[in-house]
Amino acid sequence: AQSVSQHNHHVILSEAASLELGCNYSYGGTVNLFWYVQYPGQHLQLLLKYFSGDPLVKGIKGFEAEFIKSKFSFNLRKPSVQWSDTAEYFCAVIPMEYGNKLVFGAGTILRVKS
Amino acid sequence: DVKVTQSSRYLVKRTGEKVFLECVQDMDHENMFWYRQDPGLGLRLIYFSYDVKMKEKGDIPEGYSVSREKKERFSLILESASTNQTSMYLCASSSADSNTEAFFGQGTRLTVV
Repeated sequence: AQSVSQHNHHVILSEAASLELGCNYSYGGTVNLFWYVQYPGQHLQLLLKYFSGDPLVKGIKGFEAEFIKSKFSFNLRKPSVQWSDTAEYFCAVIPMEYGNKLVFGAGTILRVKS
Repeated sequence: DVKVTQSSRYLVKRTGEKVFLECVQDMDHENMFWYRQDPGLGLRLIYFSYDVKMKEKGDIPEGYSVSREKKERFSLILESASTNQTSMYLCASSSADSNTEAFFGQGTRLTVV
């Protein structure tokens, strides 16, 4: 089945450590790509998005993601995490062949130890 | 600010009851979505709608139906609630331009007993 895969369900890091969360998708055509974040007790909000152009995308709070078309990947990175980054992170894809259907991965729970 | 409002934060219903979850958005968005969120499974798409009276099945439509009589409102209906439908339900909306983000409501935590 076509899908969005996030490699790690739980990640625990110390403050100032670097973060990379993996995301792969299996849709073959043009895709729009997103990372959303859900802080404890809050609703989902957008971190960053990629539609076209420079494959290295910068988002809010120092996050960035790189689209590698040949690897069907859109990994999220942050050079130095903070305790306030503790949240659940979701990769999402709009496969253009399916119109505006927005498909999510299973999520990665990040806990940052202070 | 874009607002997606779900009518209830918490609901407790009995097995076999018909349940309505309501969602309203105030940004004149064409697209509206219903997801359920379960630990370890992420957000799974139940149904989405790209226009009034238009709907498409998502990945897990069984046991659910939807209604979109007005552009701003998208209702999720559990015809006969079952315990395996206990979950967090999230509504979202987005414009017809797929180059824009979706906006989410706060969610409804439904418990079926």
